Amino acid sequence: DQQVKQNSPSLSVQEGRISILNCDYTNSMFDYFLWYKKYPAEGPTFLISISSIKDKNEDGRFTVFLNKSAKHLSLHIVPSQPGDSAVYFCAASAYGNKLVFGAGTILRVKS
Amino acid sequence: NAGVTQTPKFQVLKTGQSMTLQCAQDMNHNSMYWYRQDPGMGLRLIYYSASEGTTDKGEVPNGYNVSRLNKREFSLRLESAAPSQTSVYFCASSEQPYEQYFGPGTRLTVT
Repeated sequence: DQQVKQNSPSLSVQEGRISILNCDYTNSMFDYFLWYKKYPAEGPTFLISISSIKDKNEDGRFTVFLNKSAKHLSLHIVPSQPGDSAVYFCAASAYGNKLVFGAGTILRVKS
Repeated sequence: NAGVTQTPKFQVLKTGQSMTLQCAQDMNHNSMYWYRQDPGMGLRLIYYSASEGTTDKGEVPNGYNVSRLNKREFSLRLESAAPSQTSVYFCASSEQPYEQYFGPGTRLTVT
């Protein structure tokens, strides 16, 4: 049973527009959430995170929103750039425990 | 500062052969991890080591063994490779329980 789900395998967005990547989770014990970005032939790199005590965290063009009641988080990228084209993984942790990853969403930003 | 390094980058094995994947980090992190990435499955934890001298099973440990040789190095061994172990393998390290730093990956094919 997947505890972290990314239901959209891929997303295509025009350069300059907003990209919204979604993630749902089932484990109510998760208290920390992260987004990783992965380019082909490279390892994932940490992008942004959010604690369950917050509902929003912003870092430049990247904002993560957390809706605990819906067990849903989203990553917003504004404005989207061609260099943002990558696979994005959502991950979650319960009380400093091991990370649980979603299956990933492929983002393509068209110029 | 190389971060997390993995060797080899690519490997082809026949069913039943054995091999060891090597991982080293130069960030003085206590914790190290081995993941596999398969299409549609995200990153799944194979084994992890919370500190030098300790190792624990992750989500998919069957068919693998690990050794935490010292604080820097964490190796993954396949004793008798099977086609189901065809995957991309990532090593990661962290100091805090959340933000992990990943190596570039090893692409393994078992025929």
